[in-house]
Amino acid sequence: DTAVSQTPKYLVTQMGNDKSIKCEQNLGHDTMYWYKQDSKKFLKIMFSYNNKELIINETVPNRFSPKSPDKAHLNLHINSLELGDSAVYFCASSQDSGQGNEQYFGPGTRLTVT
Amino acid sequence: GEDVEQSLFLSVREGDSSVINCTYTDSSSTYLYWYKQEPGAGLQLLTYIFSNMDMKQDQRLTVLLNKKDKHLSLRIADTQTGDSAIYFCAETADNYGQNFVFGPGTRLSVLP
Repeated sequence: DTAVSQTPKYLVTQMGNDKSIKCEQNLGHDTMYWYKQDSKKFLKIMFSYNNKELIINETVPNRFSPKSPDKAHLNLHINSLELGDSAVYFCASSQDSGQGNEQYFGPGTRLTVT
Repeated sequence: GEDVEQSLFLSVREGDSSVINCTYTDSSSTYLYWYKQEPGAGLQLLTYIFSNMDMKQDQRLTVLLNKKDKHLSLRIADTQTGDSAIYFCAETADNYGQNFVFGPGTRLSVLP
């Protein structure tokens, strides 16, 4: 069984469109995250959700909005897509057990904006 | 703010040992991690070390932590072609280990 899954795996779209990326974890974890990995492989955290509460927002543009319908899902909505949004987006989850909690990553969604 | 640095590239011959280095700036880091990313895949946690430890060994992997110098290293013994990947160092300092800061990643190439 896949622990953290993302859909779609690849997403090609035009500038100005609105798109969503879905993430689901079946690990029973309390916290979920979205990361952006750019073309140079730099990884930056975008959001994390703990029990449906946004606890980190790394000053990403407000065109990006995370939505968590329940503890097992954290979807990423992106409005008015721009060329610079092209990247690989990773979802991750962790157990909120205090220090040293490990993050489990999904396979990534490669977004290409043309 | 917090920063994590790594050299971007490392090439070794198959069978040799690889040493990937990482430096960080946050002196309050509690846990430090090594993640592996194979081509086209997500990040896989390899190992982590608590800040009050100096060394941790797990099969072919040895993690060394010099807290005074804020230096972390990952040694891979008997490096194999399957070890070719990008290795990310990460640290966290907040109470619940959720605010991870990642390094830029070191691309390890294993030559036959």
